[in-house]
Amino acid sequence: DTAVSQTPKYLVTQMGNDKSIKCEQNLGHDTMYWYKQDSKKFLKIMFSYNNKELIINETVPNRFSPKSPDKAHLNLHINSLELGDSAVYFCASSQGYGGETQYFGPGTRLLVL
Amino acid sequence: DQQVKQNSPSLSVQEGRISILNCDYTNSMFDYFLWYKKYPAEGPTFLISISSIKDKNEDGRFTVFLNKSAKHLSLHIVPSQPGDSAVYFCAASLGLYSGGGADGLTFGKGTHLIIQP
Repeated sequence: DTAVSQTPKYLVTQMGNDKSIKCEQNLGHDTMYWYKQDSKKFLKIMFSYNNKELIINETVPNRFSPKSPDKAHLNLHINSLELGDSAVYFCASSQGYGGETQYFGPGTRLLVL
Repeated sequence: DQQVKQNSPSLSVQEGRISILNCDYTNSMFDYFLWYKKYPAEGPTFLISISSIKDKNEDGRFTVFLNKSAKHLSLHIVPSQPGDSAVYFCAASLGLYSGGGADGLTFGKGTHLIIQP
């Protein structure tokens, strides 16, 4: 049983396209997150959702938009993809917020050509 | 402005010996610290955590030490095993005791631990 799952695992696309990455957690957690691991290997928070409300929104371009149809899902939509969007995107979840242990998905490797 | 720093990009240790991974942080408001292990092409896996009110937490072969005055934490693995070869990330969080809202984790850049037979 995969606790936090992401699809697709790999995504290769052209500049200017719009794409989505899906994330699902079966842990019953209240908060979900999206992180980006760039070419320098830093993992940086992008968004978090708690009870279907956006809690934090780091300074990411508004081409990125998180969408949560329910507590178990947090999808990431990216419009007008750029070369610099190439990275590994990780979804995570935690029981509550504020210092809770987060559990990560396997990552989605996005390559923009 | 890295708030969490892991200054050793890699560390090589003989099997059976102790592995010590270090992490420094600059934000004194961090009150919850975690270590994650990551294999290639997989997501980070939670290993062990410690809150700011403790100075040590132990779980099997893994022990995390926190020195708040030095803003330093370390992960000890003893004895080291071949399966421990991975990248280890130190992470810090606000809000466990500060009552803040949801915050993401702030990660270090990772240390690649190599266990040699």
